[in-house]
Amino acid sequence: RKEVEQDPGPFNVPEGATVAFNCTYSNSASQSFFWYRQDCRKEPKLLMSVYSSGNEDGRFTAQLNRASQYISLLIRDSKLSDSATYLCVVIFNAGGTSYGKLTFGQGTILTVHP
Amino acid sequence: DAGITQSPRHKVTETGTPVTLRCHQTENHRYMYWYRQDPGHGLRLIHYSYGVKDTDKGEVSDGYSVSRSKTEDFLLTLESATSSQTSVYFCAIRGGQGRGNTIYFGEGSWLTVV
Repeated sequence: RKEVEQDPGPFNVPEGATVAFNCTYSNSASQSFFWYRQDCRKEPKLLMSVYSSGNEDGRFTAQLNRASQYISLLIRDSKLSDSATYLCVVIFNAGGTSYGKLTFGQGTILTVHP
Repeated sequence: DAGITQSPRHKVTETGTPVTLRCHQTENHRYMYWYRQDPGHGLRLIHYSYGVKDTDKGEVSDGYSVSRSKTEDFLLTLESATSSQTSVYFCAIRGGQGRGNTIYFGEGSWLTVV
């Protein structure tokens, strides 16, 4: 089983739709969680961190469920410009030099159409 | 802007030749990473560094070596390039505990081995 798993999609939604992605992780020692956005032939860029209490940034809402070991990203009122690949990132708190380990999901492709 | 640059951005090289990619940061971050990204595989960790002269292997380290002689530079070397190493390579940086976990990526280095 992969340490971090995402539904690769693709998700094809019309403008204005609400879409949600999930990302599951297997290591209960996971400490930090993020969502990144990656446009074609570009580097991944931070979309938002995910906090235990859940957090919102405009049309984007991120949530963490430690009991079920997943994080989610909700996008409301989708825009054409939201079309991209969304990556979840998990940092495991293994201590020592392993603190540095990052694990990425494979990414979920979102296409928003007119 | 996280102050991270990669060079070269694009390179075509012949099979069997050595290649070095450079990642330079201006933020004095402790952790630096090299990833490759390929269709169907997502981002895969090659090597990472948790300090000057402190490095460790990732999941796809065979055929690659790294060096970090100073905080700001993390070099990735393909000892003898093969066609399977044709990929886009991303460098990433991250602060340690107390400096935030935000991860920043360079713009990528596109390498073609012919």
